[in-house]
Amino acid sequence: AQSVTQPDIHITVSEGASLELRCNYSYGATPYLFWYVQSPGQGLQLLLKYFSGDTLVQGIKGFEAEFKRSQSSFNLRKPSVHWSDAAEYFCAVESPGGTYKYIFGTGTRLKVLA
Amino acid sequence: KAGVTQTPRYLIKTRGQQVTLSCSPISGHRSVSWYQQTPGQGLQFLFEYFSETQRNKGNFPGRFSGRQFSNSRSEMNVSTLELGDSALYLCASSSGDSINTIYFGEGSWLTVV
Repeated sequence: AQSVTQPDIHITVSEGASLELRCNYSYGATPYLFWYVQSPGQGLQLLLKYFSGDTLVQGIKGFEAEFKRSQSSFNLRKPSVHWSDAAEYFCAVESPGGTYKYIFGTGTRLKVLA
Repeated sequence: KAGVTQTPRYLIKTRGQQVTLSCSPISGHRSVSWYQQTPGQGLQFLFEYFSETQRNKGNFPGRFSGRQFSNSRSEMNVSTLELGDSALYLCASSSGDSINTIYFGEGSWLTVV
């Protein structure tokens, strides 16, 4: 069965520090990969996505993610975190060919220290 | 372009009642999907509709149902509410193509008492 693992439930970083959020997936083929962010009480906002091609993808708000097929990973990174980045981050996969169903990881809650 | 609009944003229902949630997709989007978000189970897929047809369904009991109208607006209904149905219900829309990116609304917070 397809699954998405986000090993870190909580991460705390200082403002200005770099950030990496981990995501691993289990799937027979390369799925479509996504990162979303959710602020408290809000819906999910798309940060970036990977379908094919260049394995380093750029997203909004200065985020990027790198797809590594050999590690079945799609880690999210940001060089310098801002206090406004404090939120919950979700990695998601969708099966190519269209199941029209996303499978989400359990999320990583980011806390930013001033 | 307006985003995905969900109504109502907040509601409180009593166990045993039913509830209907509404979703208006982004203009031009023909696919609407629904997700339930709870602290214990995370984000779980409920169902997806495209051109008024359900294309996929998650593992939820039959008390959870949905439909889509010809203008792509969608509703989901939960009958005989249980305390465990308390959750944030998120609607997402997309073009519905095979390479699919979904965009979420703000959600409807349902509390069952």
